[in-house]
Amino acid sequence: QSALTQPHSLSGSPGQSVTISCTRTSSHVAGYDYVSWYQQYPGKAPKLIIYDVVKRPSGVPDRFSGSRSGDTTSLTISGLRPEDEADYYCCSYTGSYPYTFFGGGTKLTVL
Amino acid sequence: EVQLVESGGGLVQSGKSLRLSCAGSGFTFEDYAMHWVRQAPGKGLEWVSGVSWNSDNIQYADSVKGRFTISRDNARNSLYLQMDSLTPEDTAFYYCAKADDLWSGLVDFWGQGTLVIVS
Repeated sequence: QSALTQPHSLSGSPGQSVTISCTRTSSHVAGYDYVSWYQQYPGKAPKLIIYDVVKRPSGVPDRFSGSRSGDTTSLTISGLRPEDEADYYCCSYTGSYPYTFFGGGTKLTVL
Repeated sequence: EVQLVESGGGLVQSGKSLRLSCAGSGFTFEDYAMHWVRQAPGKGLEWVSGVSWNSDNIQYADSVKGRFTISRDNARNSLYLQMDSLTPEDTAFYYCAKADDLWSGLVDFWGQGTLVIVS
């Protein structure tokens, strides 16, 4: 069982907003305050879309946004598009040493 | 353009060893920590190991500690993963990944992966 819990799957219609949650469920991850999000299409490498909880890398649309409340970090996708159908993974890390871990992933379906 | 190219994957018997390599280009390799992340077919991502820019700080997931060894050669712009005592549970795509700075756990770029199958 992952120390970061995500819903296994979510769905939404084009134009809607969806929010994927990532909840810290283990004290093992305490101190890893930074969270990133990755998008992965089938058969492809993951792509970074959010880092440091709320920041977007260059080139990532502002439809993607991150937030945090307590032990739960969230990825919100606004104005859902068919190309947003993918797997999404949250990840917790530290900037002090090369250690990180992933949530179990969420399969997003655009209906 | 940043590129990470993994090699060395293949079919190996349980209990045997395999060494993965990753060649980096398009960035100053020695300025970044590097990681290995794996993904079993149809499963989620699992971080395996990370190494700081100068190899002073090395971390492993509990699932591979004592069996896998990460190393890097900055002169060759290369990252390695020595995998010993392999089991079928190690079957996965193995991704080489670049961190965003010297020490960080944040992965900001991934290679395309190499498949390891343990029978």
